[in-house]
Amino acid sequence: GAGVSQTPSNKVTEKGKYVELRCDPISGHTALYWYRQSLGQGPEFLIYFQGTGAADDSGLPNDRFFAVRPEGSVSTLKIQRTERGDSAVYLCASSSTGIRGAFFGQGTRLTVV
Amino acid sequence: GESVGLHLPTLSVQEGDNSIINCAYSNSASDYFIWYKQESGKGPQFIIDIRSNMDKRQGQRVTVLLNKTVKHLSLQIAATQPGDSAVYFCAERQNNAGNMLTFGGGTRLMVKP
Repeated sequence: GAGVSQTPSNKVTEKGKYVELRCDPISGHTALYWYRQSLGQGPEFLIYFQGTGAADDSGLPNDRFFAVRPEGSVSTLKIQRTERGDSAVYLCASSSTGIRGAFFGQGTRLTVV
Repeated sequence: GESVGLHLPTLSVQEGDNSIINCAYSNSASDYFIWYKQESGKGPQFIIDIRSNMDKRQGQRVTVLLNKTVKHLSLQIAATQPGDSAVYFCAERQNNAGNMLTFGGGTRLMVKP
């Protein structure tokens, strides 16, 4: 597709379980961002990749959160031992020109029950 | 910590009228600002941006004004249309924060026909 694709669209998981959220960026985009958006709030920065490497992971809330981008394209956000407070929409964005030209995906709504 | 915020959570306007959405920021180190539009179930969509060395920038039907003296940002939408109904976020980038954006809490714009 032409845009940023995130799968699944919705994910319901039980507290304590492990989840993986996938982001397919726009082809050729070297920069990739993960944000988290709680209900009624603006997105919060999690991590930024330039190519395969995490250039800035200062937004990851704790060591239960981890993200990879092994081939510089698809990225996976991994959350271990999920907690109810992790429930949010997880947004991915990609860009070829930095944050100004970033396009966001539709997000994955994660619900931890 | 310092953050971006908005004055009004909901703004209701008549179709055809002009809309003004306001945003206050507190970080004087921010050098770049973006306005995003987010429709229900979708990711944020870039509307317009402005650098801190400017005080006004115009796009198609939209204008962003930046007042660094009072740390205030506004988005003006001319001839508001029903399709403009959405939540609008301002976001700032600190000049030493690379590609990380800090988002405000959002304003919901409702356009009455």
